[in-house]
Amino acid sequence: DAGITQSPRHKVTETGTPVTLRCHQTENHRYMYWYRQDPGHGLRLIHYSYGVKDTDKGEVSDGYSVSRSKTEDFLLTLESATSSQTSVYFCAISAPGTSPDEQYFGPGTRLTVT
Amino acid sequence: AQSVAQPEDQVNVAEGNPLTVKCTYSVSGNPYLFWYVQYPNRGLQFLLKYITGDNLVKGSYGFEAEFNKSQTSFHLKKPSALVSDSALYFCAVSRRGGAQKLVFGQGTRLTINP
Repeated sequence: DAGITQSPRHKVTETGTPVTLRCHQTENHRYMYWYRQDPGHGLRLIHYSYGVKDTDKGEVSDGYSVSRSKTEDFLLTLESATSSQTSVYFCAISAPGTSPDEQYFGPGTRLTVT
Repeated sequence: AQSVAQPEDQVNVAEGNPLTVKCTYSVSGNPYLFWYVQYPNRGLQFLLKYITGDNLVKGSYGFEAEFNKSQTSFHLKKPSALVSDSALYFCAVSRRGGAQKLVFGQGTRLTINP
């Protein structure tokens, strides 16, 4: 999956607990993205990053925060998980030099909030 | 606001027959258009993109897509379907410039019957 790993791959957590998902890339790409996938909605952008410490909100950012302290890592945090955040989360990176950039996706993290 | 519609949740085609997966979009200006494919328990894979120019775009695995500006459509096609083409297909759109903030359709499950 184009040098992208996500951890954990599966997680079950309780409502109200904090959760952090990690995306790690070995490609040194500038742009990184977090999406969630839900039936009937396709994928929706949560947050994205255009460089170290440079992040911005996407379409469904409420209840999520992100951080990027190194080029290779992009963290997604659910400060207080809710059942509506049960989803599959995908990280993506943009491939440079393919204007418009083609995005390469990680394998996903399946999160269940009970 | 940008939006993408895939009017068919599911498409069934016999092996060897031509296939079409439909996509319509709504976005101001001249968008970039993409098709991605997702195999079970995997992240999305890039298939093809439309930038400008020729309305017929060729991509991976023998797929092609036809851009129609007047109908705001970007239908995915293949002349002869394979059983291995069975997967979930997503159409996506983004504006030009900056980070590629993709807006996805809800997905179409394509099943090729032997």
